Amino acid sequence: DAEITQSPRHKITETGRQVTLACHQTWNHNNMFWYRQDLGHGLRLIHYSYGVHDTNKGEVSDGYSVSRSNTEDLPLTLESAASSQTSVYFCASSYLDEQFFGPGTRLTVL
Amino acid sequence: KQEVTQIPAALSVPEGENLVLNCSFTDSAIYNLQWFRQDPGKGLTSLLLIQSSQREQTSGRLNASLDKSSGRSTLYIAASQPGDSATYLCAVPFSNDYKLSFGAGTTVTVRA
Repeated sequence: DAEITQSPRHKITETGRQVTLACHQTWNHNNMFWYRQDLGHGLRLIHYSYGVHDTNKGEVSDGYSVSRSNTEDLPLTLESAASSQTSVYFCASSYLDEQFFGPGTRLTVL
Repeated sequence: KQEVTQIPAALSVPEGENLVLNCSFTDSAIYNLQWFRQDPGKGLTSLLLIQSSQREQTSGRLNASLDKSSGRSTLYIAASQPGDSATYLCAVPFSNDYKLSFGAGTTVTVRA
């Protein structure tokens, strides 16, 4: 079955380190998204891509970057991790309107 | 920017009762609306997608309605079961785009 996976599922890192969260989908969807979920803020869009080599900033993109070198993957990089980036991160993909989500990565920045 | 509101934030009902979950949005020029379910510590599962041309969408015990003119959608869950306990989120696209704006969700507890 086609699916969307995220790795790692849990990550603890230190302030200032670079961290990359992986997202891989096997649906061959053009559209991919990264969200973070925090208590009191709900789900907020970080970055998104509508195709290979296309990347766009969302509402909370500061301190994050993405690159899209193929259809299947959209890795999210935290350039210099900060405690404010402790959160649960979700990747999603869509062909047209319906979005499908991965299981999430819980990131703790100490 | 599209603002999405879900009321109530939490709901507790006895098993067998019908559930009514509300979602409102500020920009009525939407193309579609999607309802999700999230279990604790898990990702989001898509339940229903309603296109702007539809007024209702049904899947099993779930029925979602959409009233664009009033900026509202309602998710009905018939004959609730303890397994329906979860957080339900609605989401609408930013205008003329695929990225979504989410409500904060309604956390449902169905008591056996």
